[in-house]
Amino acid sequence: GAGVSQSPSNKVTEKGKDVELRCDPISGHTALYWYRQSLGQGLEFLIYFQGNSAPDKSGLPSDRFSAERTGGSVSTLTIQRTQQEDSAVYLCASSPDRAGETQYFGPGTRLLVL
Amino acid sequence: DQQVKQNSPSLSVQEGRISILNCDYTNSMFDYFLWYKKYPAEGPTFLISISSIKDKNEDGRFTVFLNKSAKHLSLHIVPSQPGDSAVYFCAASARKAGANNLFFGTGTRLTVIP
Repeated sequence: GAGVSQSPSNKVTEKGKDVELRCDPISGHTALYWYRQSLGQGLEFLIYFQGNSAPDKSGLPSDRFSAERTGGSVSTLTIQRTQQEDSAVYLCASSPDRAGETQYFGPGTRLLVL
Repeated sequence: DQQVKQNSPSLSVQEGRISILNCDYTNSMFDYFLWYKKYPAEGPTFLISISSIKDKNEDGRFTVFLNKSAKHLSLHIVPSQPGDSAVYFCAASARKAGANNLFFGTGTRLTVIP
């Protein structure tokens, strides 16, 4: 079966513009996570979805960041008014059911804000 | 505050020898630990995990050891192969506490020299 997919694979944008990053989790996985990895850093948790609801948004760095999930499947992470410090690899992961289970990652979206 | 630490950013090992990757954690609530492997331009791939009720888990050439009293775990790869060259991330979760995400270390880049 297909793994987690993300699009676009690379995104270059100008400071101040909005960007949307998409994640398609593994079919049937109810839990979905967004992480980001900045240069030289580990993975930083952003947000967790169980179904369409987000019980844990604690990792979102500012109110410029938001995410939604529809139909218990596809998720979109939106960054408004991008800043240069938003440049990172944004990774999506999914797991079969409850939180804390082994997570399966997509290839990531490399975002560069000029 | 880095709750999962990988203090060695890189490691080089000769093909056929053992690779030992180390990880330390600070949160005593962590009860599930994972190792992920990451190739360039790809997302992390799940490798092996261990629950805190065990002190060892083995899968082929990969063995993870957990020392709860020292809050330390290690990944042993033997024999090491050139295809093992990648960045290895240690991750931890507090499943019983209902944690929603994994906490990652900053990674160790393993190079296996043919």
